[in-house]
Amino acid sequence: GDSVTQMEGPVTLSEEAFLTINCTYTATGYPSLFWYVQYPGEGLQLLLKATKADDKGSNKGFEATYRKETTSFHLEKGSVQVSDSAVYFCALSDQAGTALIFGKGTTLSVSS
Amino acid sequence: EAEVAQSPRYKITEKSQAVAFWCDPISGHATLYWYRQILGQGPELLVQFQDESVVDDSQLPKDRFSAERLKGVDSTLKIQPAELGDSAMYLCASSSIVNAEAFFGQGTRLTVV
Repeated sequence: GDSVTQMEGPVTLSEEAFLTINCTYTATGYPSLFWYVQYPGEGLQLLLKATKADDKGSNKGFEATYRKETTSFHLEKGSVQVSDSAVYFCALSDQAGTALIFGKGTTLSVSS
Repeated sequence: EAEVAQSPRYKITEKSQAVAFWCDPISGHATLYWYRQILGQGPELLVQFQDESVVDDSQLPKDRFSAERLKGVDSTLKIQPAELGDSAMYLCASSSIVNAEAFFGQGTRLTVV
């Protein structure tokens, strides 16, 4: 079945450092790909998405490019802030209306 | 901004007791999901509704869990009897027919003692 694999955390960075969180997927079709962020004690918030190959999703300085050839959707940010500390989830959906399948999450901790 | 509403935010219950969670999706969203998130893990789907119909409940432990969405709007998830292993965050999400992205509520943190 479909699945998502994320790099294990925690990822610990200093403020203004470059961030990469790796995500690869397995899917039979052409899924839509997502990054969600979860702050402590809260639900998940959509960070960005991409619906087809070579699409780049971006939001709040975060970016991820849908790479079909490597089945990847790595999350990047050029300069992290303390406020970016959270858990980040990569997810896929086979098609509109199907439930999201999530990775296990990667905890990011940014210190000043 | 429209939000998915869930209540309660926190629930502590004793083993073998019944517990219920409520979710009100974003207005107009036909699809509603209940996910369970164990600490340190990603959310896992329990049940998916399309309007009032169950689309997928293959991962719902039906001997103790039930879910309903009678009028195709708000939904209730029930556990009876609760077990220690049910301690988790229960997340409700909704989406429109057109887009795949799901919008999540703040969740209900359940602790079974």
